[in-house]
Amino acid sequence: NAGVTQTPKFRILKIGQSMTLQCTQDMNHNYMYWYRQDPGMGLKLIYYSVGAGITDKGEVPNGYNVSRSTTEDFPLRLELAAPSQTSVYFCASRRQGFNQPQHFGDGTRLSIL
Amino acid sequence: GQQLNQSPQSMFIQEGEDVSMNCTSSSIFNTWLWYKQDPGEGPVLLIALYKAGELTSNGRLTAQFGITRKDSFLNISASIPSDVGIYFCAGQWFDEKLTFGTGTRLTIIP
Repeated sequence: NAGVTQTPKFRILKIGQSMTLQCTQDMNHNYMYWYRQDPGMGLKLIYYSVGAGITDKGEVPNGYNVSRSTTEDFPLRLELAAPSQTSVYFCASRRQGFNQPQHFGDGTRLSIL
Repeated sequence: GQQLNQSPQSMFIQEGEDVSMNCTSSSIFNTWLWYKQDPGEGPVLLIALYKAGELTSNGRLTAQFGITRKDSFLNISASIPSDVGIYFCAGQWFDEKLTFGTGTRLTIIP
């Protein structure tokens, strides 16, 4: 059972480049999330989705876009990479409803130079 | 955005010692979660608490949901080397988004 799978694990971008961070889950979870974790800090929510076709902004959405065309996939896109977006990005998913904890992927470490 | 106050920020202990950490919030939650993060990996759920006053154990780990619903505690007994990592608390109000603490980094001194 793969759980939440994120690709790539590492990436270096130049300022102004764009890329898509991939996230897929095989648990048929309705809810999916993207977080960023800066050094020595907790996780901050970028975007989330409660189901296919539905996305909402989190705490720090600026500079990012998401889409949710299927239940399984929730890609995160950076259009114009900036140094402030250097971080570790985590995707998570969970079932709908109370008492359903989030399950995390192993993260994508992104450096923008 | 809101983040929970988690303390201590870091701990340096010897193997075999007990560990205590806590998390406080200015607002109430009806779910408290404790996660552990190892280097290069995502957070892994350790314990979930769903009722005020609840005390739940998972092996050497014990967590409590504070009566006021504004705090939670995690204890680790007889620490071992694999306990090293960063521990995060997270609070949730019904089906809303999680709010994470800033983490407690646990280091075991040889």
